[in-house]
Amino acid sequence: AQKVTQAQTEISVVEKEDVTLDCVYETRDTTYYLFWYKQPPSGELVFLIRRNSFDEQNEISGRYSWNFQKSTSSFNFTITASQVVDSAVYFCALSEARGTYKYIFGTGTRLKVLA
Amino acid sequence: GAGVSQTPSNKVTEKGKYVELRCDPISGHTALYWYRQSLGQGPEFLIYFQGTGAADDSGLPNDRFFAVRPEGSVSTLKIQRTERGDSAVYLCASSPRGSEDTQYFGPGTRLTVL
Repeated sequence: AQKVTQAQTEISVVEKEDVTLDCVYETRDTTYYLFWYKQPPSGELVFLIRRNSFDEQNEISGRYSWNFQKSTSSFNFTITASQVVDSAVYFCALSEARGTYKYIFGTGTRLKVLA
Repeated sequence: GAGVSQTPSNKVTEKGKYVELRCDPISGHTALYWYRQSLGQGPEFLIYFQGTGAADDSGLPNDRFFAVRPEGSVSTLKIQRTERGDSAVYLCASSPRGSEDTQYFGPGTRLTVL
């Protein structure tokens, strides 16, 4: 069965601190996709990144970076120099690479960045 | 360009009533998904359309839930005899083809069943 675990329910940091959001996944598939989405208070899920299972290169986009490690089934997300606007709920998701490609989401991590 | 839109943004209804939730996907996207998000949880898959047909409805919780997409664009999620447990945010997402494409989500419809 496929599963995504985000063990951190809520994290609070002070502005300009770095913060890492953890994501651990389970799947029997050898081909799959991993995603991070941001859900601000407005409620809309905003796409941040997609990774396929064959690409373990870390990625950096501005203050955001992602660390994908198949050996530990983890896909962690780091925000450098956090800002108040980063406050949101962040979801990690897993998609099977067959059939419907439906997403399996974790329960989310609520990030609060305090000024 | 325009993103995924959903109407209404909020719907309050009484137990036992019928409701319809509408989703307008991104123009040209053939794949459409419905998810349900309960408070404090991640979205859960309900149904997937590829074109006009429901390719996977394995996530629908019971036969009170039904969805259509008659012309391969707009989709309507229909809930009969609503129950308080149906209260949630219903999210719609679309992607260009399905397959490995990224899904883009709408703002959701918050359904409250009194």
